[in-house]
Order: sequence, then C-alpha cells, then structure tokens
Amino acid sequence: KQEVTQIPAALSVPEGENLVLNCSFTDSAIYNLQWFRQDPGKGLTSLLLIQSSQREQTSGRLNASLDKSSGRSTLYIAASQPGDSATYLCAASESGGYNKLIFGAGTRLAVHP
Amino acid sequence: NAGVTQTPKFQVLKTGQSMTLQCAQDMNHEYMSWYRQDPGMGLRLIHYSVGAGITDQGEVPNGYNVSRSTTEDFPLRLLSAAPSQTSVYFCASSYYSSGSYGYTFGSGTRLTVV
Repeated sequence: KQEVTQIPAALSVPEGENLVLNCSFTDSAIYNLQWFRQDPGKGLTSLLLIQSSQREQTSGRLNASLDKSSGRSTLYIAASQPGDSATYLCAASESGGYNKLIFGAGTRLAVHP
Repeated sequence: NAGVTQTPKFQVLKTGQSMTLQCAQDMNHEYMSWYRQDPGMGLRLIHYSVGAGITDQGEVPNGYNVSRSTTEDFPLRLLSAAPSQTSVYFCASSYYSSGSYGYTFGSGTRLTVV
C-alpha cells in the first residue's frame, strides 16, 4: 500500500530564504507526483505535476524534482515571500485504472516579513 | 466559470442523522471524486466516478454513498452520521490529457457530527 510522508510538518522562515520541502513515498511504481497548495478555508490548487518519466518541473520560483528509485520528491521555493505562506501537499498517483491520489499530510509554511 | 462548487460550506449534524453534500462542476470533466481531510493526515479518497453512471469505492468508503446521474453532479450521502465522520470534505473533478491528469478542487465542506 502506497504511503506518502512529508517532512517537515511545519516550517517558519524569514522572507527571501530559499527553502526545500520534502516528500517521500513507499512504492516507486507511481504514475505521477503532484504538488498542491492549500490556503486556509480554501480548496487545493495544483502547482506542479511530474510524470513518472520526468525528473523535474519548474514554474516561476517553484521547482519540483522526482527520484523514483529513492522514493523522494522535493519542492524548491526560491526567494520566499509572505504570500507563499500556505500548506503544501504532495500526492502520488497509482499506475493503472483511475488516477487515485495518495496524499501526504502536508507541510505548513509560514514566511514572515 | 465557477469550477467546482460544494454546498454547504459548514454543517453540524447530530449522530444518526443523514445528509447529502452537494458537488457540481461546470468544466465537463469526466472524472469526479470525494476526499476527506482529517487533522494531521493527508486527504483520503472516499468514492470516485469515471463517468456518468459509473462509481467506485476509494480508501475509506464505509458510511458513504454516491451516485452520478449527470456529468456535472456528484453528491455524497452520509447514511447515518457518526462522530468519526467529523472532517473536511473535498470534491474534485479531473480530466485526462496528453498523458497527465488535471485536477480542480472545491473549497470544501466542514462537517461536525455531535
């Protein structure tokens, strides 16, 4: 059974820092790996999706990497801003059939001015 | 373009009561799903649908029913509410294109069972 773990559970950093959020998964036979952002009282917003055949994806200040052999993905946020404060969730999807998402518990990020 | 609309946003139920959480999408997405989010845990899949008239169970289906009579709507029914069903419920719609799936989530329904 696929299990997804995110470390750290919470992170507080000053504005401008570069930071890395970690995600690990137990079954390397994933279809893809997605990173989502969740703001309080809101739904999830998809940030980046990495196909199982890809190594990384970039969008603006965000870069996500995927290493299936080690069961790890990282989300790198460059030059963090207070507006980046949110909970970041990673989700691995299963191969075959419906694209079920298996979520980690998330990393709660606070960027202070 | 509303995306995924969930109603109600908040609900308090007494143990044993039944209710339906509504979910509607206007993007003509083929797939829809329901997740629940509990403190300290990731979202867990309750039920999903791959098209009108087709539904299947996810990881935590007990105590919930779904149906999908139209592409747009995917209601989640709690048959007899229990305190263990206190949670935040998210509905999502998704589509498949060019080898990947795109997801849109609703803003959630916060349910408390007393």
